[in-house]
Amino acid sequence: DAGVIQSPRHEVTEMGQEVTLRCKPISGHNSLFWYRQTMMRGLELLIYFNNNVPIDDSGMPEDRFSAKMPNASFSTLKIQPSEPRDSAVYFCASTFQQGYGYTFGSGTRLTVV
Amino acid sequence: AQSVTQPDIHITVSEGASLELRCNYSYGATPYLFWYVQSPGQGLQLLLKYFSGDTLVQGIKGFEAEFKRSQSSFNLRKPSVHWSDAAEYFCAVGANSGYSTLTFGKGTMLLVSP
Repeated sequence: DAGVIQSPRHEVTEMGQEVTLRCKPISGHNSLFWYRQTMMRGLELLIYFNNNVPIDDSGMPEDRFSAKMPNASFSTLKIQPSEPRDSAVYFCASTFQQGYGYTFGSGTRLTVV
Repeated sequence: AQSVTQPDIHITVSEGASLELRCNYSYGATPYLFWYVQSPGQGLQLLLKYFSGDTLVQGIKGFEAEFKRSQSSFNLRKPSVHWSDAAEYFCAVGANSGYSTLTFGKGTMLLVSP
């Protein structure tokens, strides 16, 4: 089992550019979560999917952020246009059952200059 | 709404000494409780979890945690800390219902001195 796979590991982009983060959950896991981690705000849940359907996107900061899960093995988080305050580490996590906890990917460190 | 408080931002422990990291939660029913560890540049790794049964749970890397309902606490302990334990530790609470998600504390950074 390769775990939750995120790409890229690092992304540096200029303000105003579109950024797409990718995640492949563990096979068989039916829930997928996108988190953002910053020093100031800690870990924030942005959105989560159950069986590829978005269940709660109340954590998405604003309309510049969007997420999709076209199938059980792939999800994207897109920021368009990006701003310097979006700089953070973005984590994807998956689980097959709430009580077993989440498995996290290694994260994508995003820097917007 | 559920919430988690980790009152210590940083803790420094001497190598070989015992460790206790504090976690208090707020939730109306019996929660699911977790401890995760994050090494620099890495994702979060699950150390242990509690959702029913014995209130003292054992995890990986020699860690254990005790669920105390009366104190709404789930403190993490280790009898003898190793230098490789230096990392950030997160407590999380979830619910055994529907589409509940985990809520994480702000984390405690553990520093290990020689």
